[in-house]
Amino acid sequence: DVKVTQSSRYLVKRTGEKVFLECVQDMDHENMFWYRQDPGLGLRLIYFSYDVKMKEKGDIPEGYSVSREKKERFSLILESASTNQTSMYLCASHREGGQQYFGPGTRLTVT
Amino acid sequence: DQQVKQNSPSLSVQEGRISILNCDYTNSMFDYFLWYKKYPAEGPTFLISISSIKDKNEDGRFTVFLNKSAKHLSLHIVPSQPGDSAVYFCAASVYNTDKLIFGTGTRLQVFP
Repeated sequence: DVKVTQSSRYLVKRTGEKVFLECVQDMDHENMFWYRQDPGLGLRLIYFSYDVKMKEKGDIPEGYSVSREKKERFSLILESASTNQTSMYLCASHREGGQQYFGPGTRLTVT
Repeated sequence: DQQVKQNSPSLSVQEGRISILNCDYTNSMFDYFLWYKKYPAEGPTFLISISSIKDKNEDGRFTVFLNKSAKHLSLHIVPSQPGDSAVYFCAASVYNTDKLIFGTGTRLQVFP
């Protein structure tokens, strides 16, 4: 069974803090993704990675960066958290030709 | 510009009846369409998919129909069960990439 885990289920941070969201998958998938889910907007792609040390911007990369030093781990970084980054963050992994598998999500609140 | 649209934010259906969830898309460069189901406080889980070269795919109680001329797909759930109550997202796979474009979701409630 594919497992995608995220480091925190709930997180509360203050405006201006640097925030790290971690995602780990155990199926040796090449591709990993970060989305955010907001009411009425669905899931929007922030960044994705096709391989170690490779990254590409998604549809809403502003205010975010990512790191992929190992194949199984994909980190999302909020350089200076702002209130409009309060959201549900979802990580997914995927092997070529297959479906995307999602983690349980991290609900981030920025105050 | 929303390339994948789910125009109904919510749907309420009686147990045992058919649930029909709809999705429209504007881009022809999609090679697969998928449906994901999401319960509160959980990540989305894959439900069913259809290739752009097909018009129907069935898996148990779930059937997805694709109308390419109308750029429309629908998910039919028959019979609906209370455990089907969740948010359903349709997604389109961008041709020759691994990117998915998601719709805004439809909240399905199945009542007894």
